[in-house]
Amino acid sequence: KQEVTQIPAALSVPEGENLVLNCSFTDSAIYNLQWFRQDPGKGLTSLLLIQSSQREQTSGRLNASLDKSSGRSTLYIAASQPGDSATYLCAVRPPGSARQLTFGSGTQLTVLP
Amino acid sequence: AAGVIQSPRHLIKEKRETATLKCYPIPRHDTVYWYQQGPGQDPQFLISFYEKMQSDKGSIPDRFSAQQFSDYHSELNMSSLELGDSALYFCASSLISYGYTFGSGTRLTVV
Repeated sequence: KQEVTQIPAALSVPEGENLVLNCSFTDSAIYNLQWFRQDPGKGLTSLLLIQSSQREQTSGRLNASLDKSSGRSTLYIAASQPGDSATYLCAVRPPGSARQLTFGSGTQLTVLP
Repeated sequence: AAGVIQSPRHLIKEKRETATLKCYPIPRHDTVYWYQQGPGQDPQFLISFYEKMQSDKGSIPDRFSAQQFSDYHSELNMSSLELGDSALYFCASSLISYGYTFGSGTRLTVV
């Protein structure tokens, strides 16, 4: 059974810092990996999607990497801003059609002004 | 661009009542998923539909049922509601090669 772990569970940084969020998964047979952002009581907003054949994806100040063989992904946030404060979730999708995501427990990020 | 639409946004029900949650996926997406997220928890998969047929089942109680209709919208029916059913319920849709898109969720409160 796939297990997804995110470290750290919570992170507090001053504004302007670069930071890395970590995600690890136990079964390397994945179809893709997706990073989401969730604000308190709100829905999940997709940030980046990495297919299993890709090594990284970038969107603005965000960069996600994937090392499938070692079961790891990182989300790099450059020049953090208070508006980045949220919970960040990674989720993996197994191969095959219509397969559900397995989520990590998230990293709660607070960026201090 | 059209997103996943969920209704209602908020719902308050009493114990033992029934609730129906609706989801309208992104057009041409072939799969719909339902997730439940309790306070402080990560989303837990309930059930999915691929081309209107139930495809996978997760930790969905027997009191809950779901279906996808000919117009691709989906409904999650929850009966004999319990206090522990209070949660955020998310619907998501996807195409196999693409990521998930989640709706804004329905917050169900059982009192």
